[in-house]
Order: sequence, then C-alpha cells, then structure tokens
Amino acid sequence: AQTVTQSQPEMSVQEAETVTLSCTYDTSESDYYLFWYKQPPSRQMILVIRQEAYKQQNATENRFSVNFQKAAKSFSLKISDSQLGDAAMYFCAYRSTDQLIWGAGTKLIIKP
Amino acid sequence: DTGVSQDPRHKITKRGQNVTFRCDPISEHNRLYWYRQTLGQGPEFLTYFQNEAQLEKSRLLSDRFSAERPKGSFSTLEIQRTEQGDSAMYLCASSFQDGELFFGEGSRLTVL
Repeated sequence: AQTVTQSQPEMSVQEAETVTLSCTYDTSESDYYLFWYKQPPSRQMILVIRQEAYKQQNATENRFSVNFQKAAKSFSLKISDSQLGDAAMYFCAYRSTDQLIWGAGTKLIIKP
Repeated sequence: DTGVSQDPRHKITKRGQNVTFRCDPISEHNRLYWYRQTLGQGPEFLTYFQNEAQLEKSRLLSDRFSAERPKGSFSTLEIQRTEQGDSAMYLCASSFQDGELFFGEGSRLTVL
C-alpha cells in the first residue's frame, strides 16, 4: 500500500527566509502524481504545487518549488522569501489512481 | 459560482443522533470527493462520485455512513447513530475528471 510520510510536525522560519518541508512516500507504481497542499487556519485546503512522476524537471510556482527525487521517493517543498501569509498546515499527497494519499502535515510558523 | 460550499460549517450533536452534511461542488465539476480529517492528521478518503455514480468507498466508511449524489450535482453525507469517534472535520472536494481538486471549508462535527 502507498504511504506518505512527513517527518516534521512543525517548522518555523523567519519572514523573508527560505524553508524546506520534507516528504517521503512509498509506492511500487511508476506513474503517479505528487502534490503539496496548504491549509490555513479555519480555511479550505488549496493546491500549492503538483509534480508528475514522469517529468524529471522540478515543478515551480513563484516562490514555491519542489525537489523531486524519484529514486529516493522524496518530494520536498521549498518556500523562498517566506511571508506571513504562508503560515499554515502543509500536506504532501500522492495519487496514482483516483485516490489521494495524504501525509500527516507540517505546521509552518512564520516569525515576523 | 464561487467554489465548493459545505453546510453546516459546524454541527454539535449527541451520541446516537443522525447528522447530514451537504456539499455543493463547483458546477462544471463531475467528480466529488468526501474526506474526513481529525486534528493533527491529513485527510482520509471516504468516498467519491463521478456524476451520480458512487465509484469508490473506503473501508473507513462503516454501515452507519451513507453518501448520495442523486442528480450528479450536490452531495449529502449522512452519519447514523453517531459515536464520539465520528467527531472530525468532514471535507468535500470537487474536480473535473482527474484535474485539480478544489476543497470546501469543511463541516466540523462534534459528538458529545
């Protein structure tokens, strides 16, 4: 069965600095998708970035980028120039069929 | 259409009572998903619909849980004979085919 592990329950970063959130997954599939979602307090989950496993190039979305290491089954999220509005729970998720498999989340705290 | 809406946002009930949650997806989305999220955890898949057909149900979905999407638009999730372990946030999400999932703000259930 596929699993997703986020080993950092909480991370903190100074405003304007860079932070990296870790995610590892386990699968025997070769074709799948990986996602990072953001869940601000009392707000809905929103997609931050997605990566197709067949693409070697790491996905980027403005200040958000990933380091996708397929052989190591690692999918970390880098947030550059952290802003107060980045404070949220961040979830890593995996999909090969129609289901999303989620990690337990990392709480990101931004220090002003 | 402003996004996925869920109702009610909060529900407090006594053990043994029945509760029903409603989800209105984005209008052009044919897929609708239900997830359950407990504090400090990622969402857990419950079930999903493509149009009005319920295509997959998690083993987490006991006989006390039932979901419908009668006309392929809104969906309801009913929990019968609620138990304290049912206390959680119930999230609804919709997508067009296997595209990006858009989430509602969730319905928080507290069973006393």
